[in-house]
Amino acid sequence: AQSVAQPEDQVNVAEGNPLTVKCTYSVSGNPYLFWYVQYPNRGLQFLLKYITGDNLVKGSYGFEAEFNKSQTSFHLKKPSALVSDSALYFCAVRGLYGGSQGNLIFGKGTKLSVKP
Amino acid sequence: IAGITQAPTSQILAAGRRMTLRCTQDMRHNAMYWYRQDLGLGLRLIHYSNTAGTTGKGEVPDGYSVSRANTDDFPLTLASAVPSQTSVYFCASSDSPGHNQPQHFGDGTRLSIL
Repeated sequence: AQSVAQPEDQVNVAEGNPLTVKCTYSVSGNPYLFWYVQYPNRGLQFLLKYITGDNLVKGSYGFEAEFNKSQTSFHLKKPSALVSDSALYFCAVRGLYGGSQGNLIFGKGTKLSVKP
Repeated sequence: IAGITQAPTSQILAAGRRMTLRCTQDMRHNAMYWYRQDLGLGLRLIHYSNTAGTTGKGEVPDGYSVSRANTDDFPLTLASAVPSQTSVYFCASSDSPGHNQPQHFGDGTRLSIL
């Protein structure tokens, strides 16, 4: 069964410092991995995805993620955090639930708080 | 602006009542999904539709039904609401379900069952 784990409920960083939001996955076959961000009272917004190719994936708003097959991880990173990056972040894997061809299985989310 | 529209934005409902959450997309996406978001549980798939005219059950389908009469609309119905269905409901769509395209989400419906 496909699953993802986000081991940290909350991550706190100071503005200007690098940030990492962790995600590990468990899949059968090739993993298709995604990161989404959710701002208060809004739906999820797509940040980036890994399907195949380069292990370092670049996405929106200066975020990137590193796919590590040996560690089954897909951590989200940003070199310099902004206060406006404060939000809820979800890692997801393509689920293939039942006959679905593309549903997502989400982690429980990590709240990122960036302080000035 | 193209995207997904969900209605209502929020609703308080008495237990036992019937409720339909509406979802409309204008991107002509083939696949649509309904998720519920609960604190500490992330998002869980309720039902999905790979294309107009077809639907399927997700991880937590009990107490919910859906229909997909056309490409744009994917309503979710609670036949007889129960308090455990208090949640935030998100509708999403993607262009081609098998091609790993990102999903687009609406802003959600916050539903409270009393």
